[in-house]
Amino acid sequence: DAGVIQSPRHEVTEMGQEVTLRCKPISGHNSLFWYRQTMMRGLELLIYFNNNVPIDDSGMPEDRFSAKMPNASFSTLKIQPSEPRDSAVYFCASSHRAFLPRERSYNEQFFGPGTRLTVL
Amino acid sequence: AQSVAQPEDQVNVAEGNPLTVKCTYSVSGNPYLFWYVQYPNRGLQFLLKYITGDNLVKGSYGFEAEFNKSQTSFHLKKPSALVSDSALYFCAVRDVAAGNKLTFGGGTRVLVKP
Repeated sequence: DAGVIQSPRHEVTEMGQEVTLRCKPISGHNSLFWYRQTMMRGLELLIYFNNNVPIDDSGMPEDRFSAKMPNASFSTLKIQPSEPRDSAVYFCASSHRAFLPRERSYNEQFFGPGTRLTVL
Repeated sequence: AQSVAQPEDQVNVAEGNPLTVKCTYSVSGNPYLFWYVQYPNRGLQFLLKYITGDNLVKGSYGFEAEFNKSQTSFHLKKPSALVSDSALYFCAVRDVAAGNKLTFGGGTRVLVKP
């Protein structure tokens, strides 16, 4: 398995431009997570999906951020318009959430290599 | 709300010496605990997890972690550190009452000197 795939690996853009980050989860995984990592704030969960449905988007910073998961093998995180403070490494992760009683659903998350975003 | 604390920003250890990376947690229900490692310019890699059962959990690359319920701790350990263990280590907790998401600690940078 190729693991979680993210593209692009690096993105440099100017303030005000739209940025789209892409993620392909591991085949068969039914949970997908978007994280942001910065020196100041560490690793933050932005949003996660179960079976392509957004479950918790409380970590999305503001309306400029949006995420979609049109099917089980693809997700996007969009920033429009981008700002310099959005500069960070964005990670996508996936896991298999078994359809068991919630207390027994404990599978680990597998992370992609990340997209390093720089907004000038 | 669930939370994780990693009290040390950095841990320095000589190669061959024991390595310990500390983690304490707070959850309202039963905790599921994880350790991840991040090498430079890479994503996080899963090391080990505690769900239930034995308090001592063995994981990848010779690492192990001890779950201590009374102290709400889940410290990561390795008996003999290697230079290649130098990386950023994250502890994470999943609260069964909080759905499928993990809460990560701030990370501890480990530097193993030859």
